[in-house]
Amino acid sequence: EVQLVQSGAELRKPGESLKISCQTSGYSFTSHWIGWVRLMPGKGLEWLGIIHPGDSQTKYSPSFQGQGSISADTSTNTAYLHWSSLRASDTAIYYCARASTITIFDTWGQGTLVSVAS
Amino acid sequence: QSVLTQPPSASGTPGQRVTISCSGSSSNIGSNDVHWYQQLPGTAPKLLIYYNDQRPSGVPDRFSGSKSGTSASLAISGLQSEDEADYFCAAWDDSLNGLFGGGTKLTVL
Repeated sequence: EVQLVQSGAELRKPGESLKISCQTSGYSFTSHWIGWVRLMPGKGLEWLGIIHPGDSQTKYSPSFQGQGSISADTSTNTAYLHWSSLRASDTAIYYCARASTITIFDTWGQGTLVSVAS
Repeated sequence: QSVLTQPPSASGTPGQRVTISCSGSSSNIGSNDVHWYQQLPGTAPKLLIYYNDQRPSGVPDRFSGSKSGTSASLAISGLQSEDEADYFCAAWDDSLNGLFGGGTKLTVL
């Protein structure tokens, strides 16, 4: 069974760094893209970016480019979303999702709530 | 404002048929496939329709999708109370990133 298990909720202050994780199991980690999507309060889903763990190829949405980064560790089958300096506007629920092709998210993690407040 | 435009809300009574539209442009829906996701309250999104009109295993055939030109639609027939959720369309854009619609909140009256 394909599973994506995300790290727990985080509370941070503006300017702090953060790395959230997405531990995968049940499939070949290096054979599928993994994407990150966020749900901001009162808003819809937003596509942030995607990585192919097999060759580390990464694509970002224009709005997220430079705001955070995506990485993958093939030794632990885990994907990461990292911020070097958080802003209050980063407050959202972040989902990782396996992509059966680059455009289709067929299995999702449970979500990680990130709250940024002073 | 999302590049893919959906109505913010839709509603119907049990047993009715409802449709949700998704409008894009030539660089996304016009040249790429559309997928639909269902997000029940408090849960992660779930793939509902892929490649415009394909259903993953386990998705009832009450759900159907279609695409024409730069627009797509999701239809739900035989509406049930458990269909009350947020529905999002999605497509790849030729600028090399993914897009979601703003979402449609479906209420079963």
